[in-house]
Amino acid sequence: EAGVAQSPRYKIIEKRQSVAFWCNPISGHATLYWYQQILGQGPKLLIQFQNNGVVDDSQLPKDRFSAERLKGVDSTLKIQPAKLEDSAVYLCASSSTSGTQGDTQYFGPGTRLTVL
Amino acid sequence: GEDVEQSLFLSVREGDSSVINCTYTDSSSTYLYWYKQEPGAGLQLLTYIFSNMDMKQDQRLTVLLNKKDKHLSLRIADTQTGDSAIYFCAESIYDYKLSFGAGTTVTVRA
Repeated sequence: EAGVAQSPRYKIIEKRQSVAFWCNPISGHATLYWYQQILGQGPKLLIQFQNNGVVDDSQLPKDRFSAERLKGVDSTLKIQPAKLEDSAVYLCASSSTSGTQGDTQYFGPGTRLTVL
Repeated sequence: GEDVEQSLFLSVREGDSSVINCTYTDSSSTYLYWYKQEPGAGLQLLTYIFSNMDMKQDQRLTVLLNKKDKHLSLRIADTQTGDSAIYFCAESIYDYKLSFGAGTTVTVRA
């Protein structure tokens, strides 16, 4: 079974530029998560999708971050414009059921973003 | 700050046991998790424990839960060089949201 795929693996941009990350979850997984992991910290949930609907985006900085999962499969996370403090690893995860407790979240390798 | 707290570093000799400790704050957390992150990789779920359990064992891994003190520990028996990684404790909030600690970097020395 293929794991969660993410691209690109690394991205370096200047502040005020835009950037987009792509995630392909495990086949058949209805729930998809985007996390931000700042160096030295644990991952923080940005947004959760159930199929193509948003379940929780309370921690997403909506003035600059956006995410979509139009067909309920792949997802993109965009930052526009980027700030220095957005430098982090962006992790995508997926799980097979409705996101209830005890579901295993499978993580991708992440995209490391550096904002100069 | 983090709701889940962990010590930042642990150094252990190869073959010894490692014990990683974690404290959490949400008494309603039903599941508690341990994840492992190797350099350049995503998080790998190692094990999880349901809050009505005190202990769970899975091969070299033993999880102990003290719900009264909101304390969780992960013991790795016969620690190997491949166990060098960052270990994250996480609690579930509401039905699905995971709140992670900052991670404990485990270094295994020969």
